[in-house]
Amino acid sequence: GQQLNQSPQSMFIQEGEDVSMNCTSSSIFNTWLWYKQDPGEGPVLLIALYKAGELTSNGRLTAQFGITRKDSFLNISASIPSDVGIYFCAGLGGTSYGKLTFGQGTILTVHP
Amino acid sequence: DVKVTQSSRYLVKRTGEKVFLECVQDMDHENMFWYRQDPGLGLRLIYFSYDVKMKEKGDIPEGYSVSREKKERFSLILESASTNQTSMYLCASSLLLAGRTNFSTDTQYFGPGTRLTVL
Repeated sequence: GQQLNQSPQSMFIQEGEDVSMNCTSSSIFNTWLWYKQDPGEGPVLLIALYKAGELTSNGRLTAQFGITRKDSFLNISASIPSDVGIYFCAGLGGTSYGKLTFGQGTILTVHP
Repeated sequence: DVKVTQSSRYLVKRTGEKVFLECVQDMDHENMFWYRQDPGLGLRLIYFSYDVKMKEKGDIPEGYSVSREKKERFSLILESASTNQTSMYLCASSLLLAGRTNFSTDTQYFGPGTRLTVL
């Protein structure tokens, strides 16, 4: 099946630093999604990308849908302690019924 | 506001027990999904359903079954729980559009998760 490689697996940063993470795939996706999961909670959608090359922002978050449709990145600027959590990328391909393929997740720790 | 609820946040069961995990959504979504989440493995799809009484296997269906008797409710069943089924279980739902030309409504909304421990 389709696979998503997400990196890095974990990050330890100081408050105020910028963060970058990315996902790559061997297959083409039509949609890329980025989710954040707080400890003990379910993932919450941060950003959705629908077109190759699309660059979308949501507050301090910026994400891009790669031109090849096989990759995406997420940037977080000026990190704050509440950014702590697990970030997942997810891709939607040509299959039916909205099945998503998820990356392994990036664990973000922000030190005050 | 979108709402997906799961019957339990924490559950402890013994090996061999039959376990039911319930998920309810109030958005009138056609699609519903069950995932399990394990460290370093991300979210893996167990089963999904695109309509009442319809179900499809995901990537890791072995040891699980599902039931979708009503549109808003999707149940995950562990017929005989085993220790390797100790995990976080996440339910999600999304809209399904006829024609499937607009992916913008395929966003999946997740419940808070059920952390299952099998002893």
